[in-house]
Amino acid sequence: AQRVTQPEKLLSVFKGAPVELKCNYSYSGSPELFWYVQYSRQRLQLLLRHISRESIKGFTADLNKGETSFHLKKPFAQEEDSAMYYCALSGRLTGGGNKLTFGTGTQLKVEL
Amino acid sequence: DTGVSQNPRHKITKRGQNVTFRCDPISEHNRLYWYRQTLGQGPEFLTYFQNEAQLEKSRLLSDRFSAERPKGSFSTLEIQRTEQGDSAMYLCASSLGWDRGKGNQPQHFGDGTRLSIL
Repeated sequence: AQRVTQPEKLLSVFKGAPVELKCNYSYSGSPELFWYVQYSRQRLQLLLRHISRESIKGFTADLNKGETSFHLKKPFAQEEDSAMYYCALSGRLTGGGNKLTFGTGTQLKVEL
Repeated sequence: DTGVSQNPRHKITKRGQNVTFRCDPISEHNRLYWYRQTLGQGPEFLTYFQNEAQLEKSRLLSDRFSAERPKGSFSTLEIQRTEQGDSAMYLCASSLGWDRGKGNQPQHFGDGTRLSIL
């Protein structure tokens, strides 16, 4: 069974402070991890995926297989980063599709 | 392309009625997924299509639920004899197939259909 845990429902930081959104996963195969973001009144959209190893909007995430974690980090929070963040794990489906298993999400609030 | 389109945005119905939602994926995407999201939870997988073939269904999908993708383009999700517990946001996502260089392609989500059962 695959599972994703995001321990914080709400994370509040001041503008300019570092941000770390935690994500731990459980999966028996080779994991593929994603971070999705949902801004207020917008649809869920992909922020980044571990396979790309890139920084998007200043955010990075490193897959740590030893700790089964995929924490999302940003050195300096911006007000526009306030949103709901979901960590997701991809699992193989019949015919080659991939099922996303999501965590419960962390609401990030950046205060001035 | 406006991305994944879902209709209606909201649906309010009485318990016991049937409802149908529609999803129009991004045109070149051959994979289509349905998810359900309840308050305080992340989206949960319901079912998956590759072209017109429904290849996987979650145990969450009871026999009151049926999904189709008749021509491999748009999809419909029907719920018969709705119950209070069906109240949720129903999300549709689409993606390209697996890419040798990039692996699984990211899923693009629609705005969802919010179902409220009175």
